Amino acid sequence: QKEVEQDPGPLSVPEGAIVSLNCTYSNSAFQYFMWYRQYSRKGPELLMYTYSSGNKEDGRFTAQVDKSSKYISLFIRDSQPSDSATYLCAMSLNTGGFKTIFGAGTRLFVKA
Amino acid sequence: DTAVSQTPKYLVTQMGNDKSIKCEQNLGHDTMYWYKQDSKKFLKIMFSYNNKELIINETVPNRFSPKSPDKAHLNLHINSLELGDSAVYFCASSQGGQGYGYTFGSGTRLTVV
Repeated sequence: QKEVEQDPGPLSVPEGAIVSLNCTYSNSAFQYFMWYRQYSRKGPELLMYTYSSGNKEDGRFTAQVDKSSKYISLFIRDSQPSDSATYLCAMSLNTGGFKTIFGAGTRLFVKA
Repeated sequence: DTAVSQTPKYLVTQMGNDKSIKCEQNLGHDTMYWYKQDSKKFLKIMFSYNNKELIINETVPNRFSPKSPDKAHLNLHINSLELGDSAVYFCASSQGGQGYGYTFGSGTRLTVV
């Protein structure tokens, strides 16, 4: 079993839809949870991060962490064609980690 | 004014050759990384350096040797290239090692023929 599981998709939605992206993980020691966005032929860019459990909102993006279920989500409201990219979840330990584990990434297409 | 820059962007080479990829960051970060992304987009850490000291060395063949001459630079040298080394290699940096502030370079697409 991989430490981080993420459905690779692809996920295709119409413009304006609410998108839900998810990851599950097995290591209960993870404390930092991140979402990265990667456009084609580019490096990943940090979208959001959350420490421990809870929700975090930034514009059209909401990140949720449920540590009891080992489950994290990213919601995108009013999705735009420019949101079409691969979204990677990532997580790391609390201290001395220096190692972030990435999910396989979910490819998202938002159709105009 | 690129924060994390990698060179070259593309590298096509024959099996058995030796090649190097260079990475430089101007963010003042103290930790740098090499990640490998395979054809299925899976990002896997290879090495991590903190203040020029090797912190993480994952199960990577000895043919891969990182070098960090200073905090702002991390290079990757690969000996005796194999077909399976074909991938995109990303350099990244962060302040500390918690992963919530990674800045990635744009990647080096290595193709071994």
